[in-house]
Amino acid sequence: QKEVEQNSGPLSVPEGAIASLNCTYSDRVSQSFFWYRQYSGKSPELIMSIYSNGDKEDGRFTAQLNKASQYVSLLIRDSQPSDSATYLCATHDMNRDDKIIFGKGTRLHILP
Amino acid sequence: EPEVTQTPSHQVTQMGQEVILRCVPISNHLYFYWYRQILGQKVEFLVSFYNNEISEKSEIFDDQFSVERPDGSNFTLKIRSTKLEDSAMYFCASRGQVLQPQHFGDGTRLSIL
Repeated sequence: QKEVEQNSGPLSVPEGAIASLNCTYSDRVSQSFFWYRQYSGKSPELIMSIYSNGDKEDGRFTAQLNKASQYVSLLIRDSQPSDSATYLCATHDMNRDDKIIFGKGTRLHILP
Repeated sequence: EPEVTQTPSHQVTQMGQEVILRCVPISNHLYFYWYRQILGQKVEFLVSFYNNEISEKSEIFDDQFSVERPDGSNFTLKIRSTKLEDSAMYFCASRGQVLQPQHFGDGTRLSIL
């Protein structure tokens, strides 16, 4: 059973600080890794995708992937109150099946 | 920016009734999906669809569920005889080519009474 594990939180971070979200996954052959943001009662919104080891930066967001450790993280710099949401880590293996496996998500609360 | 659209946004149905959830994927996308999220739980895969047939389905997707692409734009999920435990948010998603991410619609909240 493929699993994606995340700390459910809540993670409270002061406005302007860096929020660090972590995720581990069980399936070594996963190829694609995603971070989705989900506001309460809304759909998942893709904010970052990463496919190779290392860092990928997009604006205030940096995704980090370490396939040897089966670990994915998301850093949010200069956190804003609008960043308060649940962040879903997800993996995808196109070669074997075509489904995204989601973690339960980490609730992030930015303190004004 | 193109979007996946879902209708209705909220569906209330009596237990045992049939329900059809509708989705219009992004127009040039080839791969289509349904996921569900029971309140407070993780998003779970139901089914993937490509080239007019199911490519994979989860154990949740039993004989009560079916999907169809009746024309060039719509993608539907039918639940034949709804149960209380079918109450959830149902998300449609679509994807273009290999390694492109899946884009989600806003969801349909299904409430079974």
